[in-house]
Amino acid sequence: LAKTTQPISMDSYEGQEVNITCSHNNIATNDYITWYQQFPSQGPRFIIQGYKTKVTNEVASLFIPADRKSSTLSLPRVSLSDTAVYYCLVGDIRNNRKLIWGLGTSLAVNP
Amino acid sequence: NAGVTQTPKFQVLKTGQSMTLQCAQDMNHEYMSWYRQDPGMGLRLIHYSVGAGITDQGEVPNGYNVSRSTTEDFPLRLLSAAPSQTSVYFCASSYSGTGDLPLHFGNGTRLTVT
Repeated sequence: LAKTTQPISMDSYEGQEVNITCSHNNIATNDYITWYQQFPSQGPRFIIQGYKTKVTNEVASLFIPADRKSSTLSLPRVSLSDTAVYYCLVGDIRNNRKLIWGLGTSLAVNP
Repeated sequence: NAGVTQTPKFQVLKTGQSMTLQCAQDMNHEYMSWYRQDPGMGLRLIHYSVGAGITDQGEVPNGYNVSRSTTEDFPLRLLSAAPSQTSVYFCASSYSGTGDLPLHFGNGTRLTVT
């Protein structure tokens, strides 16, 4: 089972780009890398997912190096509303249903 | 577009009482799961199901039972509540046909056991 390691917390300011890196040294061949965002009193919400190289959507980019042992979530020009906990999840529901979550990164965006 | 619906939102139990946390999804997802979230512990998998009639244990299954009689519903039962089960419980679902489809979460049930 792939274990993930992320920084416990990060601080940023409005308008800055934030990069959160997740380490997953024992990622399996079929595993996908998925990032979630969680606000207080809510369930985690999907942000972005990738398998290799770079993925970009309307809210974030995900960079995955060739060895896939880490990944970086990039949030461009953060705002106060991006203050949340961000989780990196590595797994493949089809073949390994026991997904293991890390502790997440608590991002604080300051004015 | 209800997604994943959890009820109740809040619940207080006395030690030894039993209750069922409800989870329903309207997306025809085969995969459903229950997590508990405690401060400093992240999300921990309790039980999961890959389809009606099929369930299996996660990381922390002790003290909890599940069943899956329909695709839509996946209730979590606490047979004899203990203070250690005080937590926030989340239900999540996904397609399981391919590995690349994300989990959809409900908004949780906050349970306090006194």
